[in-house]
Amino acid sequence: NAGVTQTPKFQVLKTGQSMTLQCAQDMNHEYMSWYRQDPGMGLRLIHYSVGAGITDQGEVPNGYNVSRSTTEDFPLRLLSAAPSQTSVYFCASSYVRVISGNGYTFGSGTRLTVV
Amino acid sequence: KNQVEQSPQSLIILEGKNCTLQCNYTVSPFSNLRWYKQDTGRGPVSLTIMTFSENTKSNGRYTATLDADTKQSSLHITASQLSDSASYICVVSAVQGAQKLVFGQGTRLTINP
Repeated sequence: NAGVTQTPKFQVLKTGQSMTLQCAQDMNHEYMSWYRQDPGMGLRLIHYSVGAGITDQGEVPNGYNVSRSTTEDFPLRLLSAAPSQTSVYFCASSYVRVISGNGYTFGSGTRLTVV
Repeated sequence: KNQVEQSPQSLIILEGKNCTLQCNYTVSPFSNLRWYKQDTGRGPVSLTIMTFSENTKSNGRYTATLDADTKQSSLHITASQLSDSASYICVVSAVQGAQKLVFGQGTRLTINP
């Protein structure tokens, strides 16, 4: 049982380049989300999905696109990378109704640097 | 505005000592509160989750408390170990449709031998 798998772990991009951060989970979770973590700030929600074919914007969606064609996968696309997108990105998943239990399962993160 | 404030921002203690981390929130309507541990270079891992009716919950040497009236939570670590060195994040869930979470900035805890 791998949990939430993120790839790549590290990436350096030039300004204007595009790329896709991959996220896959094998727990049959309906809910998947992408966060970014910057120094001195709490995790901020970029986009989320409550099921295949359904996505919605979070707190900081500009410059990012997502899609959810399957329950397992939730890729995050950077359309034209900017230095302000330098951050650590985390994918997280859970059941939609989380009343008790372990809550969210996070991936190990992708450290992205845009130069 | 929904906010979660944690204190202190950082804390250094000696191995074997106890410590308490604080979390104050203004999230409404409240659903639940979670404490996560985040090791350097890793994703957060859940320690506890508490609902409105729960005052105390333990997970080994970690004990979380919740006072829903004052909107405060604490995480107490007993007999600290070197492996406790990490960031501890308080996360409050608001009942607003799909999983509205508000993250605190975290407390960076360092355990020295």
